[in-house]
Amino acid sequence: EPEVTQTPSHQVTQMGQEVILRCVPISNHLYFYWYRQILGQKVEFLVSFYNNEISEKSEIFDDQFSVERPDGSNFTLKIRSTKLEDSAMYFCASSEAIRWTQYFGPGTRLLVL
Amino acid sequence: AQRVTQPEKLLSVFKGAPVELKCNYSYSGSPELFWYVQYSRQRLQLLLRHISRESIKGFTADLNKGETSFHLKKPFAQEEDSAMYYCALRGRQGAQKLVFGQGTRLTINP
Repeated sequence: EPEVTQTPSHQVTQMGQEVILRCVPISNHLYFYWYRQILGQKVEFLVSFYNNEISEKSEIFDDQFSVERPDGSNFTLKIRSTKLEDSAMYFCASSEAIRWTQYFGPGTRLLVL
Repeated sequence: AQRVTQPEKLLSVFKGAPVELKCNYSYSGSPELFWYVQYSRQRLQLLLRHISRESIKGFTADLNKGETSFHLKKPFAQEEDSAMYYCALRGRQGAQKLVFGQGTRLTINP
């Protein structure tokens, strides 16, 4: 069964550094999402992406964040200048069509020191 | 505002006992409600959604608009049901984002 994959599984970075989290959505899916979960807190929506454009974003998704689909398979989340509070598990998800089931990746655990 | 509340962080029951995981929501329109499950060392996966009105792995959930609830139930718990369960809401008006509750860790004791 096809799955969403994410790399790396863990990343440690220094405050102020840029990080890029990578996701490979399920191949025939057209909608892509990023969520995050700070330790002990809820899973929170960050952004959704369709047809090379952001279709919805939350107030968390400020100018420090950006998303890109650089090629036909990858979907990336970039954090330009990481803060301590960006430490979280970041989940990528994809769906075949709008409002269809979202399939989640295993997550990338980001630790900002 | 959209909000999902799961009042129990932890729930422990014995094998064979009934299970009910509570979920209440706040939304001004008619939402879509979901239950996602995360087994140990596995990814979040959809367990069921209210519009499907189906039973998955013996679990059912009924949307009660009067009580704004979407509780997850199973009549006889099994050890393999031990997992983290998340209730989630999606607004009806073209929204894509899922709004999650805090999650309930269910432990089934032998």
